[in-house]
Amino acid sequence: SYVLTQPPSVSVAPGKTARIPCGGNNIGFKSVHWYQQKPGQAPAVVIYYDSDRPSGIPERFSGSNSGNTATLTISRVEAGDEADYYCQVWDSSSDHGVFGGGTKLIVL
Amino acid sequence: EVQLVESGGVVVHPGGSLRLSCAASGFTFNDYAMVWVRQAPGKGLEWVSLISWDGGTTYYADSVKGRFSISRDNSKNSLYLQMSSLRPEDTAFYYCAKADRAMVYFDYWGQGTLVTVSS
Repeated sequence: SYVLTQPPSVSVAPGKTARIPCGGNNIGFKSVHWYQQKPGQAPAVVIYYDSDRPSGIPERFSGSNSGNTATLTISRVEAGDEADYYCQVWDSSSDHGVFGGGTKLIVL
Repeated sequence: EVQLVESGGVVVHPGGSLRLSCAASGFTFNDYAMVWVRQAPGKGLEWVSLISWDGGTTYYADSVKGRFSISRDNSKNSLYLQMSSLRPEDTAFYYCAKADRAMVYFDYWGQGTLVTVSS
């Protein structure tokens, strides 16, 4: 089955740029979606189809996908961005949804 | 406004059964596939199951295949998850979510319902 790999945590100072990677075999050929989950809340999509942003999500959030790594980039990080972030793909070869293990963004 | 409200989560003994429900509103329910995603306490997200807009196609994670059954009643704007032969490792928050038209990502989520499998 398809596997997505994320680092357990990423730390960043306020105002700096955070990059959260999501690794998968030839993930560049798949569409990657990103979810933010704050404590006690349900997940919410922040990036879909690699780089599209839902309405209401700040332009500071962007996504890219190439080769074996997709990346969620958060510019000008704020304290309120501290959360768990999950990448997700639909694996059409198995007809399964697949989530990465999640990355905790720590704002220093 | 899209709303998804799960219900049915309780404490159940190992080997027991349970049915979760998800009431949907704010969108044309019978136009979209729906999914269940679960999250064990303190752990990551795990996709559980998907059902197509008309209920004609269903998919399951290997961890639940043969034990869980997803269904929907479009006349009631409701999604269900029938869970049987429950195991302690099924303990989790269960979220229902609406899929996009291509059925590849999940654009709206409910707040979840907690299922605890314990003796």
